[in-house]
Amino acid sequence: NAGVTQTPKFRVLKTGQSMTLLCAQDMNHEYMYWYRQDPGMGLRLIHYSVGEGTTAKGEVPDGYNVSRLKKQNFLLGLESAAPSQTSVYFCASSRDFYNEQFFGPGTRLTVL
Amino acid sequence: RKEVEQDPGPFNVPEGATVAFNCTYSNSASQSFFWYRQDCRKEPKLLMSVYSSGNEDGRFTAQLNRASQYISLLIRDSKLSDSATYLCAFGDTNFGNEKLTFGTGTRLTIIP
Repeated sequence: NAGVTQTPKFRVLKTGQSMTLLCAQDMNHEYMYWYRQDPGMGLRLIHYSVGEGTTAKGEVPDGYNVSRLKKQNFLLGLESAAPSQTSVYFCASSRDFYNEQFFGPGTRLTVL
Repeated sequence: RKEVEQDPGPFNVPEGATVAFNCTYSNSASQSFFWYRQDCRKEPKLLMSVYSSGNEDGRFTAQLNRASQYISLLIRDSKLSDSATYLCAFGDTNFGNEKLTFGTGTRLTIIP
């Protein structure tokens, strides 16, 4: 099993460009999450999903959109990238809320 | 008061020593508690869940103090491989908004 995978691993964008980060999990987990991690700020929840076709806002959702069309995939979109979105993005999944979250390897995004 | 407070360190500890960290949380409704480990430029991975009665996993002991609202992690006979950042996480289901809140992490370096 691959666990949680993320593509791409690295990306550099110019301000105003758009992109989509893809997260895939092969553990048949219902819950999936997108976090960003910045120095001194810890992991902050952007959006999450409790099942196929559902999404919900987390702590820092502005500037991001998500979709969960298939149970195994959770997409994070940046419509118009800003330098403040320079960060490391982690996707995670879990069987349910009370269980371990499994993280992907992360995407390092730089917005110039 | 911040939702989660964690001493960022760094803790520089000689090999073989015992080291302990605490992590305080402000939401008394928190229902689940975890310690995650994150190596440099890697994703977080679950180290251990924290149960009400306390729990041990080899050299690692986790405790929960609900009255004072903190969890602790004790590492005995520390190894070089224990060098990492340790993140605490707390879960709550506030009005259906299920989420984990992570601390900013405590950096531990084990010195030969």
